Amino acid sequence: ILNVEQSPQSLHVQEGDSTNFTCSFPSSNFYALHWYRWETAKSPEALFVMTLNGDEKKKGRISATLNTKEGYSYLYIKGSQPEDSATYLCAFRAGNNRKLIWGLGTSLAVNP
Amino acid sequence: GAGVSQSPRYKVAKRGQDVALRCDPISGHVSLFWYQQALGQGPEFLTYFQNEAQLDKSGLPSDRFFAERPEGSVSTLKIQRTQQEDSAVYLCASSLALTGPIETQYFGPGTRLLVL
Repeated sequence: ILNVEQSPQSLHVQEGDSTNFTCSFPSSNFYALHWYRWETAKSPEALFVMTLNGDEKKKGRISATLNTKEGYSYLYIKGSQPEDSATYLCAFRAGNNRKLIWGLGTSLAVNP
Repeated sequence: GAGVSQSPRYKVAKRGQDVALRCDPISGHVSLFWYQQALGQGPEFLTYFQNEAQLDKSGLPSDRFFAERPEGSVSTLKIQRTQQEDSAVYLCASSLALTGPIETQYFGPGTRLLVL
């Protein structure tokens, strides 16, 4: 059974704080790792697709790193804003299987 | 541009009723996926289509669940004789089905199903 774990489960930070969370996934048969951001009552929004060991991606104040050998990815948010409040989900693709295997998400609340 | 849309957004059903959930993918997207997210859990894969062909239905939890995409565009997920454990958010996603790992699935807002 393929297991994807995310930590912490939830996080409360003050506006302006930088924060990071972790996604752990199986290190064997890696194909791709996705990060999504999901705000309440909206559609999950794709942030990054990461495929290569050592990959770093950046989108505005959000960045992510990937270590496929040890099976983890970090998502960083620099200078958190209230609009960053959402659940951040990672999803793993194994081999050439089309389906995504998801973690439980990290719920981020940014207080103004 | 128009994203993935799903209807209804909310559905309340009595136990034993049949329900049908609709997904309109992004125009031109070849692949369509269904996921189920129970309360407190991450999304779980149900099934996916490439055009009208259902290529993987390994995640459907029972034979009460049935999905179709007859013309390779709109898809319907049908749940027969709903049970309380079917209460969940049902997410639909579509993609261009590019070969290789760089494939992004674009999601709709989900249908929240509550079975009483």
